[in-house]
Amino acid sequence: QKEVEQNSGPLSVPEGAIASLNCTYSDRGSQSFFWYRQYSGKSPELIMSIYSNGDKEDGRFTAQLNKASQYVSLLIRDSQPSDSATYLCAVSNTDKLIFGTGTRLQVFP
Amino acid sequence: KAGVTQTPRYLIKTRGQQVTLSCSPISGHRSVSWYQQTPGQGLQFLFEYFSETQRNKGNFPGRFSGRQFSNSRSEMNVSTLELGDSALYLCASSLYPGGSYNEQFFGPGTRLTVL
Repeated sequence: QKEVEQNSGPLSVPEGAIASLNCTYSDRGSQSFFWYRQYSGKSPELIMSIYSNGDKEDGRFTAQLNKASQYVSLLIRDSQPSDSATYLCAVSNTDKLIFGTGTRLQVFP
Repeated sequence: KAGVTQTPRYLIKTRGQQVTLSCSPISGHRSVSWYQQTPGQGLQFLFEYFSETQRNKGNFPGRFSGRQFSNSRSEMNVSTLELGDSALYLCASSLYPGGSYNEQFFGPGTRLTVL
């Protein structure tokens, strides 16, 4: 079992829809959770961090964390073609960040 | 505030050679982590430096090494290059060491091609 798992996609959504990206992790001791966006040929860009159970909203992005289910998700409201990218989930214990392999999101007009 | 910088951006080397990559963190950040990204393996942790000391190391052979200077700038070195070392090498900077409650910000990366 991989430590951090994401569906590789692609996840295709129409412009204006809600995109829902999911991530599960295996280490129950994980304390911090991050979402990165990576455009093709570019480096990852931090878009959200979440540390407590529940929802955290930032603009069109909402991160959701459920530690009991070992599940973290990212919702993108009003999806735009410019949101088309690979979204990486990262989970940390005290030592280091562990990344999932990413979900490719395609937003079509 | 300037972001993380990495040099060079692109490198082409041949098998058996060695290479040194450089990373300058965000001003005020004292921790630097290095990652290797390949299409097959995704982002893999190489090592982390804080206050000139290696704090943590991933599961890579000893050919991969690094160091950090007193100004927090870091270098990583790969000796005896192999074809499989072709990858995007990413440096990430953070205020503190470790992963907990500690946001990491990536540089643009160095694309290494080994022929």
